Amino acid sequence: SQKIEQNSEALNIQEGKTATLTCNYTNYSPAYLQWYRQDPGRGPVFLLLIRENEKEKRKERLKVTFDTTLKQSLFHITASQPADSATYLCARSPSGSARQLTFGSGTQLTVLP
Amino acid sequence: DADVTQTPRNRITKTGKRIMLECSQTKGHDRMYWYRQDPGLGLRLIYYSFDVKDINKGEISDGYSVSRQAQAKFSLSLESAIPNQTALYFCATQGPGSGELFFGEGSRLTVL
Repeated sequence: SQKIEQNSEALNIQEGKTATLTCNYTNYSPAYLQWYRQDPGRGPVFLLLIRENEKEKRKERLKVTFDTTLKQSLFHITASQPADSATYLCARSPSGSARQLTFGSGTQLTVLP
Repeated sequence: DADVTQTPRNRITKTGKRIMLECSQTKGHDRMYWYRQDPGLGLRLIYYSFDVKDINKGEISDGYSVSRQAQAKFSLSLESAIPNQTALYFCATQGPGSGELFFGEGSRLTVL
């Protein structure tokens, strides 16, 4: 069965450092991986999508990599700020439809001032 | 105003009661989804709909039903609520050709 794991439940880093979150998956390689941000009591907000034929995707201070050999995606936040503190979810899909989207349980990131 | 609106935001009910969670969207998307989120677990798909006449079960549909009243409205019902349905419920939409999901703010349901 499909499985997706995020490396840790919680990650604390110092302001200004780069935060790196890990998403590992089993079985088949997904067509794409998505990353979302979720604040307490709020719905997830889409951040980035990376396809299986892409190695890296960037958006401002965010960077996502996709390694199909390691079956892993890394999510980086450079020059982290306390406002980046949130839970980050990764999700995999073999297709473009969310009906097959499998979410990880999330990593709670805290950026300390 | 939010693009995806869920009502109610919070609800406490008793075992055996019928509950309806409503979702409306202004994004004009055909695809709509209902997810459930529990602590330590990822979002899990309950039901999804690709248009008004298309309703499909997701991973955990038992104990739930849905109604797609219009393109903009997708409701989730618990016919007879039980305590293990206590969770945070999210509605989401998806545009054509896009993997990105747009989530509502969630409905927190507590079944006593």
